[in-house]
Amino acid sequence: DAGVIQSPRHEVTEMGQEVTLRCKPISGHNSLFWYRQTMMRGLELLIYFNNNVPIDDSGMPEDRFSAKMPNASFSTLKIQPSEPRDSAVYFCASSSRDSPLHFGNGTRLTVT
Amino acid sequence: AQSVTQLGSHVSVSEGALVLLRCNYSSSVPPYLFWYVQYPNQGLQLLLKYTSAATLVKGINDFEAEFKKSETSFHLTKPSAHMSDAAEYFCAVRGAQKLVFGQGTRLTINP
Repeated sequence: DAGVIQSPRHEVTEMGQEVTLRCKPISGHNSLFWYRQTMMRGLELLIYFNNNVPIDDSGMPEDRFSAKMPNASFSTLKIQPSEPRDSAVYFCASSSRDSPLHFGNGTRLTVT
Repeated sequence: AQSVTQLGSHVSVSEGALVLLRCNYSSSVPPYLFWYVQYPNQGLQLLLKYTSAATLVKGINDFEAEFKKSETSFHLTKPSAHMSDAAEYFCAVRGAQKLVFGQGTRLTINP
């Protein structure tokens, strides 16, 4: 299995621009999670989906953040408009009832 | 609600020495507990997990952890540290459909 695939690996953008992060979960996993990691706040759960349905988005910091999962093999996390304080590493992870959480290698976002 | 506390944000040991990373949990139900490792510029990888079977759990790279209900602990150990063990380690407990992570412990290995 290729594991959880995230793209892009690095994203540099200017403040005010829209940013879209992408994730392909492991085939057969029915839960998908978006995390953000910073030095100051550590690893934060932003939102998670179960069977493509958002279950808990209480970790999404602001309305500028949105996430979708149109099908079982794809999810996006969008930030519009982006701000410098959004700079972080964003991780996608997937799991199933019989499989623990598997993480992608992350997207390092820099907003200037 | 489930939670974990990792004692010590930074641990430094000499190569060949014992590694001990501490984790205490809080859970209203019998917990499922995990240790993950994060190497630089990578995502988290599962080291080992406790799911109410044997209390001593063996993981990859000679790591192991012991579940102690009386102490609400799940400390991670390795008998002899290797330079390649330098990384950040996260303890986690499974809550309702999601994992709750600790703040992480950065392990440094001195030659």
